[in-house]
Amino acid sequence: AQRVTQPEKLLSVFKGAPVELKCNYSYSGSPELFWYVQYSRQRLQLLLRHISRESIKGFTADLNKGETSFHLKKPFAQEEDSAMYYCALRGGDNFNKFYFGSGTKLNVKP
Amino acid sequence: DGGITQSPKYLFRKEGQNVTLSCEQNLNHDAMYWYRQDPGQGLRLIYYSQIVNDFQKGDIAEGYSVSREKKESFPLTVTSAQKNPTAFYLCASRGTNSYEQYFGPGTRLTVT
Repeated sequence: AQRVTQPEKLLSVFKGAPVELKCNYSYSGSPELFWYVQYSRQRLQLLLRHISRESIKGFTADLNKGETSFHLKKPFAQEEDSAMYYCALRGGDNFNKFYFGSGTKLNVKP
Repeated sequence: DGGITQSPKYLFRKEGQNVTLSCEQNLNHDAMYWYRQDPGQGLRLIYYSQIVNDFQKGDIAEGYSVSREKKESFPLTVTSAQKNPTAFYLCASRGTNSYEQYFGPGTRLTVT
């Protein structure tokens, strides 16, 4: 069965420190993975997608099929990075369903 | 801020009453989704629709119903059969050949 696990409910770091938000998944096929972010008083929005392999707002995420992980990383956290982050997996019949993790709240302290 | 809208923002109902949540999009997206968001549980898929007049159950469809009579609209009815309806409900849409979901602002439903 498809499943996305985010083990940390809350992650607090100081400004300028590296940050890593963990995501593990279970999926029988080739997964398509995403990170979504929700800033305070804003809508949930796409941050990045594993296939694009790009850096968005300084964040990167590498798909590790051996460890079934898709951790989100940023070398130097900023206060404006404080938000709720959700890892998501696309799957299901016809690849039309999305499975979300429980989310990690990132708090970047000044 | 168009795109995808949900109304109302807050909804209060008495136990035993059905209630319908609105979701409208002007993005010309074929696919639409309903999620339920509970603290510590992330988003769980209730129903989704890939095309007008067609929809499929998600992982927690019991106690909910939907319709997709128009491309722009995907209303969700929370029936009295839903045992724990108090939650935050999110609607999303996606273009047919796109991977990105666009989310609405959500509706917080409280049933007492």
